[in-house]
Amino acid sequence: DTGVSQDPRHKITKRGQNVTFRCDPISEHNRLYWYRQTLGQGPEFLTYFQNEAQLEKSRLLSDRFSAERPKGSFSTLEIQRTEQGDSAMYLCASSPLAETQYFGPGTRLLVL
Amino acid sequence: GENVEQHPSTLSVQEGDSAVIKCTYSDSASNYFPWYKQELGKGPQLIIDIRSNVGEKKDQRIAVTLNKTAKHFSLHITETQPEDSAVYFCAASKNYKLSFGAGTTVTVRA
Repeated sequence: DTGVSQDPRHKITKRGQNVTFRCDPISEHNRLYWYRQTLGQGPEFLTYFQNEAQLEKSRLLSDRFSAERPKGSFSTLEIQRTEQGDSAMYLCASSPLAETQYFGPGTRLLVL
Repeated sequence: GENVEQHPSTLSVQEGDSAVIKCTYSDSASNYFPWYKQELGKGPQLIIDIRSNVGEKKDQRIAVTLNKTAKHFSLHITETQPEDSAVYFCAASKNYKLSFGAGTTVTVRA
């Protein structure tokens, strides 16, 4: 399977804990995006990378959120001191230099 | 920022009938408009897209139309089948960043 992969698929954590998600994009895709999706809503943009450079961050991305793409390949999204409001599906997408974005299966986070 | 509105929020159609979903966008600088299908527990799957220099695009039973002047675009699914049941999202892109509508839950009745 050469699609976007995400790990883990599900994560349950207690409020105040840190969590880290991983995204592996489609091979040779330069751009990598993170979105957050809550129940009954469309995905909301969080941040994106072109190669290893983080080019834009949404206001949704508070100081507790950090994303990296150290070698321009896979990316990680870390949430520190999780809150119940962080419960959502975290989606990763990748694209070549064109517009089209291909999404992974998502990581569903539940903060208790 | 870009604001995308999508209607209806739910749509029930008889198998074999057509389904139409409409979206409007606010930022005239948006230039790329994809549609995604999302099944329960899965990520969004791209089904068709259109760029701002094109008015209509068709792929088998799926078609999209774009009216740049009115800032609206629509998805048309003909000859609906039970496997078309899912949540459909429209999106508008400006500077490679997608803004999504709230989604339409489509149910195809057998």
